[in-house]
Amino acid sequence: QLVLTQSPSASASLGASVKLTCTLSSGHSSYPIAWHQQQPEKGPRYLMKLNSDGSHNRGAGIPDRFSGSSSGAERYLTISSLQSDDEADYHCQTWATGIQVFGGGTKLTVL
Amino acid sequence: EVQLVESGGGLVQPGGSLRLSCAASGFTFSNYAMNWVRQAPGKGLEWASTLDSGGTTYYADSAKGRFTISRDNSKNTLYLQMNSLRAEDTAVYYCAKMAADGTLFDNWGQGTLVTVSS
Repeated sequence: QLVLTQSPSASASLGASVKLTCTLSSGHSSYPIAWHQQQPEKGPRYLMKLNSDGSHNRGAGIPDRFSGSSSGAERYLTISSLQSDDEADYHCQTWATGIQVFGGGTKLTVL
Repeated sequence: EVQLVESGGGLVQPGGSLRLSCAASGFTFSNYAMNWVRQAPGKGLEWASTLDSGGTTYYADSAKGRFTISRDNSKNTLYLQMNSLRAEDTAVYYCAKMAADGTLFDNWGQGTLVTVSS
């Protein structure tokens, strides 16, 4: 079964970097994913597509402070030079024929 | 600029029906698969349904048999007809445009709240 697992919460200081993790279920380590950001009381915003080899393509207007990387079944989102409006929920998404799957989301707090 | 604007949410009793709409602009609507994704209060995102440009539909198990996705390309509008609503269908419902390769969601609306309660 295709499942994505995310830690419920993370925190980091203003100006620092943070690395969020999304883990694919067993047998699905080659799958690409997408990362989405959801600021409080807003709809999600597409950040990037992240492939199993770590290559990634950011969405329109997404700054290069947001980057992605991969290792095995793990997919990472790194946010550098944290700003206050990076405080948000971050969701990973993957897909197979006829289905879309989301992780539970990680709530990022900027200290 | 892509814009997706949902409407039609509201309070409905258990067992009732509701139709959501999503008005799209800024792209050639008929060429893209479109989706509904929901988010229960305090929870994560949950995919509900996809309608591709050729008319093929896909549903999550939670939506099968109760929800119907459709589109009117002449009006650039996506719909979700929801019947036999349950308390657990209470959520913000988002419309999302699928990327050209038919994989991920590359644009989202602001959502419309559906509350199922007596």
